[in-house]
Amino acid sequence: GENVEQHPSTLSVQEGDSAVIKCTYSDSASNYFPWYKQELGKRPQLIIDIRSNVGEKKDQRIAVTLNKTAKHFSLHITETQPEDSAVYFCAASNALDFGNEKLTFGTGTRLTIIP
Amino acid sequence: DAGVIQSPRHEVTEMGQEVTLRCKPISGHDYLFWYRQTMMRGLELLIYFNNNVPIDDSGMPEDRFSAKMPNASFSTLKIQPSEPRDSAVYFCASSLRIGSGYTFGSGTRLTVV
Repeated sequence: GENVEQHPSTLSVQEGDSAVIKCTYSDSASNYFPWYKQELGKRPQLIIDIRSNVGEKKDQRIAVTLNKTAKHFSLHITETQPEDSAVYFCAASNALDFGNEKLTFGTGTRLTIIP
Repeated sequence: DAGVIQSPRHEVTEMGQEVTLRCKPISGHDYLFWYRQTMMRGLELLIYFNNNVPIDDSGMPEDRFSAKMPNASFSTLKIQPSEPRDSAVYFCASSLRIGSGYTFGSGTRLTVV
């Protein structure tokens, strides 16, 4: 089955600086890569996703890049703000393989923005 | 839409008791997932359904856990008998289709004493 590794497990950055979280996956057939943000005591919420036919996707201060050859993808947050403090999870799945289309999550990165 | 609705939000029970967690997915979503979240193990998939049919239950820890989806708008996760190591936050999530992202419910925080 799929295995997703996520680094770092904790990350502290000064407000206004950029944050980068990296994930690697094992199954070359994976083709869907979402990122979730989970604030303390809340539910995980989808913030951005990318499919394997795209190398990069941006949404305001958030961007995700995908390198299929190396089997890794990254989340980039620019101009960080205190409200970006949360745990971020990456995930991967094979959206075209019925029975194997479930998401496998990384172990999470606790991001702290220092005012 | 009210989103994915889970109940109860918190459950405290004694070891050996039966626990039933409930989930109402977003109307029209074909997929429903049950996840368990702990500090040690992160987000673990327990089971998922497609059009009310269980597709993969390989994540269900043991026979004490069972899940049903009798119709498109309701699912239950049952633990019988419960044990202290079952203490966790249990999330239900639904998805319109695979590759469209999940919407999670607010979760049920289960404490078994």
